[in-house]
Amino acid sequence: QKEVEQDPGPLSVPEGAIVSLNCTYSNSAFQYFMWYRQYSRKGPELLMYTYSSGNKEDGRFTAQVDKSSKYISLFIRDSQPSDSATYLCAMSYNFNKFYFGSGTKLNVKP
Amino acid sequence: DADVTQTPRNRITKTGKRIMLECSQTKGHDRMYWYRQDPGLGLRLIYYSFDVKDINKGEISDGYSVSRQAQAKFSLSLESAIPNQTALYFCATSDLSSVTNTGELFFGEGSRLTVL
Repeated sequence: QKEVEQDPGPLSVPEGAIVSLNCTYSNSAFQYFMWYRQYSRKGPELLMYTYSSGNKEDGRFTAQVDKSSKYISLFIRDSQPSDSATYLCAMSYNFNKFYFGSGTKLNVKP
Repeated sequence: DADVTQTPRNRITKTGKRIMLECSQTKGHDRMYWYRQDPGLGLRLIYYSFDVKDINKGEISDGYSVSRQAQAKFSLSLESAIPNQTALYFCATSDLSSVTNTGELFFGEGSRLTVL
């Protein structure tokens, strides 16, 4: 079993929709949770970071961590065509090594 | 100029050839990583280095070697390339010295390698 599982999609939504992206994990020692966004032909860039359980909001983006269920989510409100990218979840227990999901490809249609 | 620069960006080679992918960074970070990205498999760690004298194997190091020539340079070698090493390779850096550290990885733009 992979340490981090993520639905690869692709996910296609109309502009303005609320998008929900999710990952599950098996290692209860993970305490740092990240979402990276990767545009085509580019390297991933950090989008959101959360420590332990709880929610974090940044503009149209909200990251949620539920450690009891080993489940993390990224919500995108009022999605825009510019949000079309691959979203990768990542997690770590000590910042020495990072474990990535396989990525979900999102397409927001105008 | 990019903070993390990878060369070459694209390379086509033949089975059995030796290939080197190079990474240089201007961010002043101590930590450097090499990842491989395959469709459906995400990013998998090949090697990582926390300083010039430190080299560590990741989850898929077989068939690869690395060299940390300086704080700013970290190269990945395939001694005898094989077709299943066809992938997109990323170099990344991170820094734990900041008090606001989030463990963020800073990625290069990738090196696409095709082994025929």
